[in-house]
Amino acid sequence: GESVGLHLPTLSVQEGDNSIINCAYSNSASDYFIWYKQESGKGPQFIIDIRSNMDKRQGQRVTVLLNKTVKHLSLQIAATQPGDSAVYFCAEYSMKTSYDKVIFGPGTSLSVIP
Amino acid sequence: NAGVTQTPKFQVLKTGQSMTLQCAQDMNHEYMSWYRQDPGMGLRLIHYSVGAGITDQGEVPNGYNVSRSTTEDFPLRLLSAAPSQTSVYFCASSYSIGNVNTEAFFGQGTRLTVV
Repeated sequence: GESVGLHLPTLSVQEGDNSIINCAYSNSASDYFIWYKQESGKGPQFIIDIRSNMDKRQGQRVTVLLNKTVKHLSLQIAATQPGDSAVYFCAEYSMKTSYDKVIFGPGTSLSVIP
Repeated sequence: NAGVTQTPKFQVLKTGQSMTLQCAQDMNHEYMSWYRQDPGMGLRLIHYSVGAGITDQGEVPNGYNVSRSTTEDFPLRLLSAAPSQTSVYFCASSYSIGNVNTEAFFGQGTRLTVV
């Protein structure tokens, strides 16, 4: 769903299905994009990152896709498990326009239905 | 290996009080930063540092000061606490952000309430 006011976008997925979490960014000069996972009561944890000169990168059970034309980033989680339930944040930074500043998006809450 | 350690975990302040949130990392990371996280929002950058003796402002620096006298420590000071500073604060560290590896390690957070 789309974010409204202070409410996080939420995504509910059946266990075993694939999840796709989307992120729109505004800075066309961003050099790096990073996905973080935050479980309740904990700090964010790094999942995967991608450079702006790439359009796809794969990790263990995760794939990040970058579409610079429409400034869109997605995180795909294969065979979603209950342990994947968390809030997922995309983050970006640009050496040219925001040197050394990593800017986070608002986050998406993923809920896995057993 | 402790990673990034934040203290305290919880704090209640009265309006106008000052305090320092501590952050220490033992990974010899050059880059450290402070974020605040408010309900339903992402993390907003308060201040950051690219190395000892160097600090800079993030998105929401007003009401906060930082210093970086050593590589390991990056304390965040609230000069005169206000209810608007009620939030969860996260400290993070990483290797120089100019490198390929941009992975940041976060502390467990400090939940601050200003009454």
